[in-house]
Amino acid sequence: AQKVTQAQTEISVVEKEDVTLDCVYETRDTTYYLFWYKQPPSGELVFLIRRNSFDEQNEISGRYSWNFQKSTSSFNFTITASQVVDSAVYFCALSEAYSGAGSYQLTFGKGTKLSVIP
Amino acid sequence: EPEVTQTPSHQVTQMGQEVILRCVPISNHLYFYWYRQILGQKVEFLVSFYNNEISEKSEIFDDQFSVERPDGSNFTLKIRSTKLEDSAMYFCASRGTGGGQPQHFGDGTRLSIL
Repeated sequence: AQKVTQAQTEISVVEKEDVTLDCVYETRDTTYYLFWYKQPPSGELVFLIRRNSFDEQNEISGRYSWNFQKSTSSFNFTITASQVVDSAVYFCALSEAYSGAGSYQLTFGKGTKLSVIP
Repeated sequence: EPEVTQTPSHQVTQMGQEVILRCVPISNHLYFYWYRQILGQKVEFLVSFYNNEISEKSEIFDDQFSVERPDGSNFTLKIRSTKLEDSAMYFCASRGTGGGQPQHFGDGTRLSIL
């Protein structure tokens, strides 16, 4: 069974501070994919990034960066110089890499609510 | 950029009534999904659909639920006899072919059961 744990329920930071959102996962699969999604107050789910289990390179996209460590089963997300528009709930998710059944369903964590205070 | 569209955005229904939630996935996608999010909680998988049939379903997806792809563009979720606990945001998603393709979500339908 797959499981994703986001231990931080809510985080508040002051604008321009850096913040890291933690994600720890469990899976029996040797190959899998990890994702981060953003859910702003308007409610939609926005895809941010995908990482496959073969690739442990960290990734940076503007103010966002992701640190994948297979040895600790973690896929953490850092926002540098946070802005008010970053206020949202952030979900980490996991899916299998190969699905004979054609599912590839996402298993989500409970989410971390980030509030950036001006 | 192509997107997943869901209608209606908000549905209010009396308990025991049938409800149909509609989705138009991204046109060249072949995998379709429904997820549910009870207010303030995590997003939960309901069902996946591929090659015109259900590929996997969760324990939430009981006999009251059904999915259909009635034509080449729509993907629907039907709840036959709604219960109060069905009140939630329902998200449709679709993904392209290939390992690790991300699922793209619609804006959701907020279902309120009275």
